Amino acid sequence: SAVISQKPSRDICQRGTSLTIQCQVDSQVTMMFWYRQQPGQSLTLIATANQGSEATYESGFVIDKFPISRPNLTFSTLTVSNMSPEDSSIYLCSVGRGVASTDTQYFGPGTRLTVL
Amino acid sequence: SQQGEEDPQALSIQEGENATMNCSYKTSINNLQWYRQNSGRGLVHLILIRSNEREKHSGRLRVTLDTSKKSSSLLITASRAADTASYFCATGVYSGGGADGLTFGKGTHLIIQP
Repeated sequence: SAVISQKPSRDICQRGTSLTIQCQVDSQVTMMFWYRQQPGQSLTLIATANQGSEATYESGFVIDKFPISRPNLTFSTLTVSNMSPEDSSIYLCSVGRGVASTDTQYFGPGTRLTVL
Repeated sequence: SQQGEEDPQALSIQEGENATMNCSYKTSINNLQWYRQNSGRGLVHLILIRSNEREKHSGRLRVTLDTSKKSSSLLITASRAADTASYFCATGVYSGGGADGLTFGKGTHLIIQP
């Protein structure tokens, strides 16, 4: 398994500002993923972040709104830019080791974001 | 896009009873994973079943997978109050460049009545 931490655990932000969420893993991992969970909903994949390459975004998510960094094999950041109340969600990072059939993905504790 | 659908969306049972949750999906998969989430916190991984497996056990958990019907079930036996949580299935696909991110179902909210 992997131990994953996220900072901040929660934040309340004003409309139009940006927030950067950090994800730290206790071991080197190939694949890191960012998800969004809107209130009362399930999780939706935002993007895949591999070290040394540009993040790959899912349909409906763009780099200008959710820029991602992956500077090394244990760390990634997700920025939520120019926030609006619709961005209020829990943001979770997860990690996987890239071996498809047995690739358990482990999740961080999440960052609960409220935009006023 | 979400391809998993869980039913029921909510389930309330008495402590000690068994709880069964179902999940359906639409496309071919490499594996299917079940997660638990307590009160909007992080997800706890419960069990992974590969596409070539039909049944898997872990403690009080039993997962089945029927790839011909594109469905899975999670059975929790002898339920406890601490099992109260939301349960999600998630399917994994391998695209050639590595495992893709998971596609989650809508989840089942399970309440265990003491």
